[in-house]
Amino acid sequence: DAMVIQNPRYQVTQFGKPVTLSCSQTLNHNVMYWYQQKSSQAPKLLFHYYDKDFNNEADTPDNFQSRRPNTSFCFLDIRSPGLGDAAMYLCATSREIGQPYEQYFGPGTRLTVT
Amino acid sequence: GQNIDQPTEMTATEGAIVQINCTYQTSGFNGLFWYQQHAGEAPTFLSYNVLDGLEEKGRFSSFLSRSKGYSYLLLKELQMKDSASYLCAVSDSNYQLIWGAGTKLIIKP
Repeated sequence: DAMVIQNPRYQVTQFGKPVTLSCSQTLNHNVMYWYQQKSSQAPKLLFHYYDKDFNNEADTPDNFQSRRPNTSFCFLDIRSPGLGDAAMYLCATSREIGQPYEQYFGPGTRLTVT
Repeated sequence: GQNIDQPTEMTATEGAIVQINCTYQTSGFNGLFWYQQHAGEAPTFLSYNVLDGLEEKGRFSSFLSRSKGYSYLLLKELQMKDSASYLCAVSDSNYQLIWGAGTKLIIKP
């Protein structure tokens, strides 16, 4: 089945220790998104890629970086995690941009910062 | 600014009907999505409305009024597995999704 895969599902890191979250997709979608979602809050868009064109949301902290080495994979790097970065990180894809396409989500990575 | 409002939490009884409302103010409108999110899981697509009116899909229906900036999700014949959060999201003028915080629906036997 075509899908969006995120690894790991649960990640524990120490305050200030860099961490990388990964996402892969078998849907062959051009657009990939990274969202941060805290409990009972709306998903907050951090970045999106159209193919390899990177788009950073204006209020995404510099502490967050992203890489998309190819169509299938996308990574979220948190350079120096703080306690406030503990959240669920959701990766999503959509077929294209320029139309209101449905977004397909991975199962998420829950990040704990100790 | 852009804003999506939904009730924080609702409670309903198994077998009953519940309506979850969503109001929005966005810069542009290219349709409204409803997603279901079970606790600790990813959102999954339920419906998409771009024209006024009611879209029915099995036990779930979604309504849109663009002039009022209003939508609702109607769930019929509620089942325990419908306990989840329901997120409303609007596609804005740039086709970016503006998300609501979600409505947590609690189903009681």
